[in-house]
Amino acid sequence: AIQMTQSPSSLSASVGDRVTITCRASQGIRNDLGWYQQKPGKAPKLLIYAASSLQSGVPSRFSGSGSGTDFTLTISSLQPEDFATYYCLQDNNYPRTFGQGTKVEIK
Amino acid sequence: EVQLAESGGGLVQPGGSLRLTCAASGFSFSSYEMNWVRQAPGKGLEWVSYISSSGSATYYADSVKGRFTISRDNAKNSLYLQMNSLRAEDTAVYYCTRRAHYVGTDYWGQGTLVTVSS
Repeated sequence: AIQMTQSPSSLSASVGDRVTITCRASQGIRNDLGWYQQKPGKAPKLLIYAASSLQSGVPSRFSGSGSGTDFTLTISSLQPEDFATYYCLQDNNYPRTFGQGTKVEIK
Repeated sequence: EVQLAESGGGLVQPGGSLRLTCAASGFSFSSYEMNWVRQAPGKGLEWVSYISSSGSATYYADSVKGRFTISRDNAKNSLYLQMNSLRAEDTAVYYCTRRAHYVGTDYWGQGTLVTVSS
């Protein structure tokens, strides 16, 4: 199974900060990667698909990049509603695998 | 509007069985692949099972293989997860998810909690 290593596991940031989260795949997955945001008690929400495509309705401060094994989610200017946990998901083959998650907290 | 609504969760004893249902609406259910994903309390997300749009192909996580069975009824716009020989480590919120071609997993239900405990 492909392992997805996500870092950091948590971070503290202030409103307006630029935030970067990374995911590394144990083998190449082309651009078959999605990024999800999850708030407490809620289902995850798709932010980015195919590594860099913004899902409809998602603010443009979210962006994704990468291909092969290394991927990045960037929030250009952190907003109060962005404090949540973020996960990557490899969509290349089965079993599907998620990163361990990154909890973004208020500094 | 795409909606996925899970039901069937609850408290079950170790070794017991439970059947989850996901009712889909707002899209052409028979055209989409579907998955189940779970999340243990306070933990991360874990993919559980996949089924193709026709139901002819299925995959399972090693942790549930041989105990869980995924199925669908396209006429009823419904997805199922039959869970047998349940263990304490199966305790989790179970999400029904839709997979769209090229986009990947794009919609999630609200989840249903399964608790395995004596």
